[in-house]
Amino acid sequence: DAGITQSPRYKITETGRQVTLMCHQTWSHSYMFWYRQDLGHGLRLIYYSAAADITDKGEVPDGYVVSRSKTENFPLTLESATRSQTSVYFCASSDPGASRSYNEQFFGPGTRLTVL
Amino acid sequence: ELKVEQNPLFLSMQEGKNYTIYCNYSTTSDRLYWYRQDPGKSLESLFVLLSNGAVKQEGRLMASLDTKARLSTLHITAAVHDLSATYFCAVDVRTSYGKLTFGQGTILTVHP
Repeated sequence: DAGITQSPRYKITETGRQVTLMCHQTWSHSYMFWYRQDLGHGLRLIYYSAAADITDKGEVPDGYVVSRSKTENFPLTLESATRSQTSVYFCASSDPGASRSYNEQFFGPGTRLTVL
Repeated sequence: ELKVEQNPLFLSMQEGKNYTIYCNYSTTSDRLYWYRQDPGKSLESLFVLLSNGAVKQEGRLMASLDTKARLSTLHITAAVHDLSATYFCAVDVRTSYGKLTFGQGTILTVHP
């Protein structure tokens, strides 16, 4: 599929389990981002990556781990899921260095995660 | 720290009416983005405003940017039900290349 995809789209897990959310983009964008969206908090940045093997923390990184071994993939792992991590997770990508890209971010469809 | 504030956060409109959503930000930035999110869906890019005085229009929506006032507006003309959604503004973070800081979002509901 062209564009940016996320999997799974829905996930139910239990407290303490490890969960990995996948994000894949076909545009070869250099930057990728993970956000969580909760009622009353808008979008909050968890982690971002400027290129393969370069990642940095965002606003709410605790309890999450990321990696980026390939440009097109940016998985987000919850090492030991907690109920407070129940949320909708969005992946996004951008290519601010490209001509006329303007740092615009393009979002995936989201993953709805429930931690019981 | 860059802060982006939208108001109102909730907006209930009648069809046919006009209204404006405001987006204020706290530090210098030259670029501002507006996104739309339908319930249960992802964010879709609406407008990219690149310079002071920039104005973009699509259909019943018009966005403008005043970098000196650190203010962007999203004006809705003759609202229709299909415009019901959440609207986010986002601002470039100059000191952190690639990142955007998002406002809280404005939930717009258009009633018949």
